[in-house]
Amino acid sequence: EAAVTQSPRNKVAVTGGKVTLSCNQTNNHNNMYWYRQDTGHGLRLIHYSYGAGSTEKGDIPDGYKASRPSQENFSLILELATPSQTSVYFCASGDAGRGETLYFGSGTRLTVL
Amino acid sequence: QQKVQQSPESLSVPEGGMASLNCTSSDRNFQYFWWYRQHSGEGPKALMSIFSDGDKKEGRFTAHLNKASLHVSLHIRDSQPSDSALYFCAASGTQVVGQLTFGRGTRLQVYA
Repeated sequence: EAAVTQSPRNKVAVTGGKVTLSCNQTNNHNNMYWYRQDTGHGLRLIHYSYGAGSTEKGDIPDGYKASRPSQENFSLILELATPSQTSVYFCASGDAGRGETLYFGSGTRLTVL
Repeated sequence: QQKVQQSPESLSVPEGGMASLNCTSSDRNFQYFWWYRQHSGEGPKALMSIFSDGDKKEGRFTAHLNKASLHVSLHIRDSQPSDSALYFCAASGTQVVGQLTFGRGTRLQVYA
């Protein structure tokens, strides 16, 4: 089965600090995604990537950057963390093509104090 | 406006009963629909996809799609306590990259 691993599982950060969330996939999928999950909002797309070296903005990209240095790795970067970015973040990979299924990691719970 | 709307927000059914979840989209570009299931403390996992009008059955789960009304439903027969989870409806258009749009979810509780 598809494997997507996120680290860390939990993170506490201070307002104004820099936070990097990491994601690794062993499926050799071209596409990778970052979502955040908040009660009452479901899952919202932050950034995505078509492959190594590419990043694209999703529906709520403000305050976030992404980096895809390789096929396997996709990072989400919060340069200046704010309390409103307290959330659970999920990384996912997909094998491209119309109607692709996404495979999600177990999530990172981020608290910004 | 939420492009993918789910109802009900929460649902409680007895073990062995039938659970019915609904999803309606407001975007006619959406052509592909999924149901994802998320157990507490885990990431969402694809349950089933449906791309054509009509019914699709996988074990105890049946999805129904009506593209004309942009309505998709999920029916779970013989519900088990292990089915207790958050269920998301998700949709995407015809672009190559997925970019799924998720609903807010229906929380299902199956009680003994």
